[in-house]
Amino acid sequence: AQKITQTQPGMFVQEKEAVTLDCTYDTSDQSYGLFWYKQPSSGEMIFLIYQGSYDEQNATEGRYSLNFQKARKSANLVISASQLGDSAMYFCAMRGLQGAQKLVFGQGTRLTINP
Amino acid sequence: DVKVTQSSRYLVKRTGEKVFLECVQDMDHENMFWYRQDPGLGLRLIYFSYDVKMKEKGDIPEGYSVSREKKERFSLILESASTNQTSMYLCASKIFGVSYNEQFFGPGTRLTVL
Repeated sequence: AQKITQTQPGMFVQEKEAVTLDCTYDTSDQSYGLFWYKQPSSGEMIFLIYQGSYDEQNATEGRYSLNFQKARKSANLVISASQLGDSAMYFCAMRGLQGAQKLVFGQGTRLTINP
Repeated sequence: DVKVTQSSRYLVKRTGEKVFLECVQDMDHENMFWYRQDPGLGLRLIYFSYDVKMKEKGDIPEGYSVSREKKERFSLILESASTNQTSMYLCASKIFGVSYNEQFFGPGTRLTVL
């Protein structure tokens, strides 16, 4: 069975600082993928970034990067130069080889950016 | 622009009522999903569908059923609503077969069962 763990229920960060949101995962699949989604207060889930298990380089998308440490089974999201609009819930999710179309989500981290 | 829409943003129902939550996507995606979101539990998969008339149980299917008669529409049915089904319900869709492609989500329906 696949499992995603996000151990930080809430985080408070000063504007313009970098922030790291933790995500650890557990799977027996050799091929898998990791996703991060952002959920603002409006409720809609917004895709941020994807990392495949065989990707040799860490994924980056603008201010978002994924610190992928395969041996430690961690896939932390790094947001550089945080902005007030980054305040939201953030979810880490995984798809495995078995049931490759499905995602398993973590509990989420609520990020608050202070001015 | 890709779009997943859900029939209601907020819904209040009585215990025992039959409840229909509708989801429509305009991206010609084969895969569609229903999740429920509860604080501290993240999103949990209720049901998903690979194609028209095809459905598969997710992690928490008890008390729910689904219908997919057309490719663009995926309905979640609560046969007899109970208070423990008060939750946020999110629908998503995804192109089939490309595993690194993300799921696209609707805005969610916040259901309250009294």
